[in-house]
Amino acid sequence: KNQVEQSPQSLIILEGKNCTLQCNYTVSPFSNLRWYKQDTGRGPVSLTIMTFSENTKSNGRYTATLDADTKQSSLHITASQLSDSASYICVDDSYKGDSNYQLIWGAGTKLIIKP
Amino acid sequence: DGGITQSPKYLFRKEGQNVTLSCEQNLNHDAMYWYRQDPGQGLRLIYYSQIVNDFQKGDIAEGYSVSREKKESFPLTVTSAQKNPTAFYLCASSSPGQAYNEQFFGPGTRLTVL
Repeated sequence: KNQVEQSPQSLIILEGKNCTLQCNYTVSPFSNLRWYKQDTGRGPVSLTIMTFSENTKSNGRYTATLDADTKQSSLHITASQLSDSASYICVDDSYKGDSNYQLIWGAGTKLIIKP
Repeated sequence: DGGITQSPKYLFRKEGQNVTLSCEQNLNHDAMYWYRQDPGQGLRLIYYSQIVNDFQKGDIAEGYSVSREKKESFPLTVTSAQKNPTAFYLCASSSPGQAYNEQFFGPGTRLTVL
């Protein structure tokens, strides 16, 4: 069972609309919860990084939320643009002890913005 | 212009051949990583290196080898022992002094076995 599960697998919305992507993680204790954006055929780029104590974090039109009690995170995109078409990946930063952290990557949600 | 470069962007290999993927960074980062990405799956860690001349196996190291002779360079060799090497390979680097030990990624190399 994947320790970081994302939903939906893919999503198509019209330009200008909002959307919310979901992430459930099971590994604990965790240090940080990260969201990355990956354009097709490119490397991932960091959008937000939240510590255990943070509930929400914004980066422009991207807002990530975190509920540590339910082990859920969401990424909300406001007023979508064509350039938002990409895969969005949730990453659980798991502390293994002795200053070692393991990144556990979700499979991503593929978002397509249509004009 | 700081960043991470990977070459080549596309690589084709015949079965039974070893190939080496290049990764170079000029960010002065101590740590470097190699990941493999397959469709519908999360990134999986192959090898990582926290300092020159030292590296550790990740979750899927079998059939791969690395070296870290210089801080800037972390080449990955995909050997003939890797049963299913067709994938998208990503290199990343990070610095302990960076906030959240954030990893920065290169553009990737797509390897196809013919």
